[in-house]
Amino acid sequence: AQRVTQPEKLLSVFKGAPVELKCNYSYSGSPELFWYVQYSRQRLQLLLRHISRESIKGFTADLNKGETSFHLKKPFAQEEDSVMYYCALRAPGGFKTIFGAGTRLFVKA
Amino acid sequence: KAGVTQTPRYLIKTRGQQVTLSCSPISGHRSVSWYQQTPGQGLQFLFEYFSETQRNKGNFPGRFSGRQFSNSRSEMNVSTLELGDSALYLCASNQWGEETQYFGPGTRLLVL
Repeated sequence: AQRVTQPEKLLSVFKGAPVELKCNYSYSGSPELFWYVQYSRQRLQLLLRHISRESIKGFTADLNKGETSFHLKKPFAQEEDSVMYYCALRAPGGFKTIFGAGTRLFVKA
Repeated sequence: KAGVTQTPRYLIKTRGQQVTLSCSPISGHRSVSWYQQTPGQGLQFLFEYFSETQRNKGNFPGRFSGRQFSNSRSEMNVSTLELGDSALYLCASNQWGEETQYFGPGTRLLVL
């Protein structure tokens, strides 16, 4: 079964500290993986997708097929990073996206 | 290009009523998906349409249905509303062969 697990509902770090939001997935194949952000009462916005291998707002995410993980990392957290993050899996051509439960990041001054 | 739009943005209904929500995808996008977002269950997949055909469906009762029109616009309908249907309903669109989805602002439904 397809599943996305984000083990932390809430993650609190100090400004300037490194941050890692964990995401593990279950899928027998080669999925496409995404990180979305959701600002308070606003629409979901794409942050990263694994195939682009780019850095957005200082965030990077590496797909580890052996560990079936797609953790989101940033070396120096900023207060404006305090939003909700969702990891998502989509099977190519599968017409379905599975989301994790989300992690609320709180960056303390 | 204009983003994904959803109407109405807010809706209040009573138990037993039915509701229809509308979604207009980004121009050129032929896939439209629907999701239910609640504090307790998070984001749950409802269904996805491509070329006017439902291609996949989540684990929701038959009261939840949808359709897609030839211009790719989509509607979802919930019949015999229950209190637990109160949620934010999100629509997303993507291009064929491109898995990145773009989300609308959502319709916030409150069932009293």
